Amino acid sequence: DTAVSQTPKYLVTQMGNDKSIKCEQNLGHDTMYWYKQDSKKFLKIMFSYNNKELIINETVPNRFSPKSPDKAHLNLHINSLELGDSAVYFCASSLSSGGYSDTQYFGPGTRLTVL
Amino acid sequence: AQSVTQLGSHVSVSEGALVLLRCNYSSSVPPYLFWYVQYPNQGLQLLLKYTSAATLVKGINGFEAEFKKSETSFHLTKPSAHMSDAAEYFCAVSYSSNTGKLIFGQGTTLQVKP
Repeated sequence: DTAVSQTPKYLVTQMGNDKSIKCEQNLGHDTMYWYKQDSKKFLKIMFSYNNKELIINETVPNRFSPKSPDKAHLNLHINSLELGDSAVYFCASSLSSGGYSDTQYFGPGTRLTVL
Repeated sequence: AQSVTQLGSHVSVSEGALVLLRCNYSSSVPPYLFWYVQYPNQGLQLLLKYTSAATLVKGINGFEAEFKKSETSFHLTKPSAHMSDAAEYFCAVSYSSNTGKLIFGQGTTLQVKP
């Protein structure tokens, strides 16, 4: 049983396209996150949702839109893809957003390549 | 600004040697500190975390870290490196005021030579 799963694992697409990445967690956690890891392996938070409510929205282009249909799912939709969007995107979850000492559990990542 | 600095983007040790990966944080409020490991083409896995209980924290796979407030450090150590320890290691910090957001250091690649 995979605790945090992401689909697809690899995504190769052309500039200007729209794509989505899906994330699901079966841990019963209330909070989910999206992180971006760039080519230098630097990790930065993008968004977090607590029980379907947006909690963190970092300085991310509005071409990126997270959607949480329920607390077990957090999807990331990207419009008008650009070369600079190429990265590995990680989904994570934790028990609660107020639990700043809670462990975050990460998915395996989605490697997005924009050509 | 709250930040995390990992000294040394690349550390190389021989199998059986001591592993020391350095992490310093900057903060005016008490931090919660984490070490994560990322094996090639995988997600991040928690090694250990400091949450203001004991300052010496033991984690998985024989790793431990010590929180030193006076030095604003949380260095990761392992007495004897194994080949399987080769991976990317990330130090991260969270604060009570930031809704659980993790701020990561730039990562340290650990190479283990036979």
